[in-house]
This record gives sequence, structure tokens and C-alpha cells, in this order.
Amino acid sequence: DQQVKQNSPSLSVQEGRISILNCDYTNSMFDYFLWYKKYPAEGPTFLISISSIKDKNEDGRFTVFLNKSAKHLSLHIVPSQPGDSAVYFCACRGGSSNTGKLIFGQGTTLQVKP
Amino acid sequence: NAGVMQNPRHLVRRRGQEARLRCSPMKGHSHVYWYRQLPEEGLKFMVYLQKENIIDESGMPKERFSAEFPKEGPSILRIQQVVRGDSAAYFCASSPNQNLNEKLFFGSGTQLSVL
Repeated sequence: DQQVKQNSPSLSVQEGRISILNCDYTNSMFDYFLWYKKYPAEGPTFLISISSIKDKNEDGRFTVFLNKSAKHLSLHIVPSQPGDSAVYFCACRGGSSNTGKLIFGQGTTLQVKP
Repeated sequence: NAGVMQNPRHLVRRRGQEARLRCSPMKGHSHVYWYRQLPEEGLKFMVYLQKENIIDESGMPKERFSAEFPKEGPSILRIQQVVRGDSAAYFCASSPNQNLNEKLFFGSGTQLSVL
């Protein structure tokens, strides 16, 4: 039962252009959403988050959009830089258990070409 | 301000042996989560612990796996009688509380290889 899905395993973007990573979820009880970035042989690092009461949160080059009716969130990176090349995971929290655990998507590998 | 510390970074075990993975949360954090990442997959929740208590173990396999977070010392994820399918990266994360808008801080993981 995959509650959080990232349907694009990989994405390739030219440096300076916009990167858009997508994430869909099925559990309408989720109320907090996060994006993590992961380099090989390292743990995930927090990037940006959004509460369900908002539809947009911006932090520098990174913006997260939330469409609750569609159960969809996206991460926009603009302009993209080669150092952004990594695996990006979306994560959702909430639901019936409500213990604070995060449910992760499968990840999208972003490659930013110089 | 040290982050989440996991050791060892790499652990090799033969089938049937025991694996012990350690996690020291960030200073001031009393909530620990364990996740497993199988090859080509995302991170799967295993267990959530507070000091001396298991809060949510809904992601733990029913047999051979156990976790603890004692009053003193690191959290331990223990896998008995390992099998090849246990080969994965195991990540520990910590947070200072259970506030739902609190992010988790992850360690660098332990890569378990079962021969």
C-alpha cells in the first residue's frame, strides 16, 4: 500500500532552468509535508516543508506547492544548479496513527547538467 | 553540535549471525525513528522510540528484529539470524519532540551487507 508516490524515478535538467519534482499521496489525513535531499552514502537532509493550511512555501531557490484537493505536492527549484543533483524524497506526516513518523515516496533522482 | 551519529557505517554479516546497529540522537532529542532503505526503493518506517519506550513498531518485521532506546546510551536496532534480504541501508532519525511540524534529522546510515 504505497501511500506516497513519486512517479518519476529520474529527471534531467539544464543548469539555470527550473526543476519540478512531483509527489502524490492518497491519505487525506496527512497534514504536514516535507522534502528531503539525499546524496549517495549520506542520510537525507531536510530541504523544505509545508503545512496543510498553506498552499505554497518558499525558501530561496526552493518552493513547495500543495494542492490538497488533488493530493499533490511539488518542489520547484529555480534556477537549478549542478550541486542540486541528488535524490529527492517527499515525505508526509499525519494520518490515523499520528505518531509523528514520516511516510516517504520512492525518490526522484535529479541530474542538473552544466 | 554533533548531528545524529550512527555506527558502524558499514557492517558485513554472514547469514545466521546477529547485527547490531547503533544510533545516538542529536543532543536534546529524545525521539528516535528507524528507517530502512532497500536498493532502488524509498525509506520505509520501521519503529519509533522514546527513552525506554517503544511508541510505534508498526513497520518492524514480526520476527528477528527488535529495537530499544535505553535511559542511558544509544538506540540499538538488533537483527537476529540475518538473511540476505536484510541487506539494506538503515537510517536513524531524531527529533526533539512529537510536534507534527517538527522535522526529523537523519544520520548517515549503516549499510548492512549479508553474505
